[in-house]
Amino acid sequence: KAGVTQTPRYLIKTRGQQVTLSCSPISGHRSVSWYQQTPGQGLQFLFEYFSETQRNKGNFPGRFSGRQFSNSRSEMNVSTLELGDSALYLCASSLLQGGGAEAFFGQGTRLTVV
Amino acid sequence: KNEVEQSPQNLTAQEGEFITINCSYSVGISALHWLQQHPGGGIVSLFMLSSGKKKHGRLIATINIQEKHSSLHITASHPRDSAVYICAAENRDDKIIFGKGTRLHILP
Repeated sequence: KAGVTQTPRYLIKTRGQQVTLSCSPISGHRSVSWYQQTPGQGLQFLFEYFSETQRNKGNFPGRFSGRQFSNSRSEMNVSTLELGDSALYLCASSLLQGGGAEAFFGQGTRLTVV
Repeated sequence: KNEVEQSPQNLTAQEGEFITINCSYSVGISALHWLQQHPGGGIVSLFMLSSGKKKHGRLIATINIQEKHSSLHITASHPRDSAVYICAAENRDDKIIFGKGTRLHILP
């Protein structure tokens, strides 16, 4: 059974650009959550999608957005990139929304903004 | 003060030692998660618990809801246990708040 797949693994962008990251959940999982990890702030929750709807959102500016497709694959987009957006972006998939089931994490996308 | 506090921040121990990592939280929770992150970023969910105690191999997680405290124990520690262990509290709005992590280094 394939795990959670995130693409790309590494990305370098310049300030002001926008970026789209992709997450393919484990087959059958309908919940996808996104997290940002930085050395200073640690892991922080971005948002959760379930059945193509955003169910929960963390405290991030509107430059951070996401969506989920009918096959449960999810994308997150960051517009007008800032240096501080450099981070490891992780997604996790789960059978159920919220904390009802175990979450499985992808390897992450390491974004560097220069 | 963070809503989820872990201690210690760093821990170095000899192979075979019994390891305890602590997590205290100040929010009402529906579940508490323990995660393991290896160098390179990969995260594995170790436990999800809302009461009592869970055991998986050499790993044991306990939670005391009244005291808002959870512990992760590793018995007979091994160098391959070296990783960052993260406690995450899921509040009643289903938002997850992470601790800063405990960096564990087991020496052979």
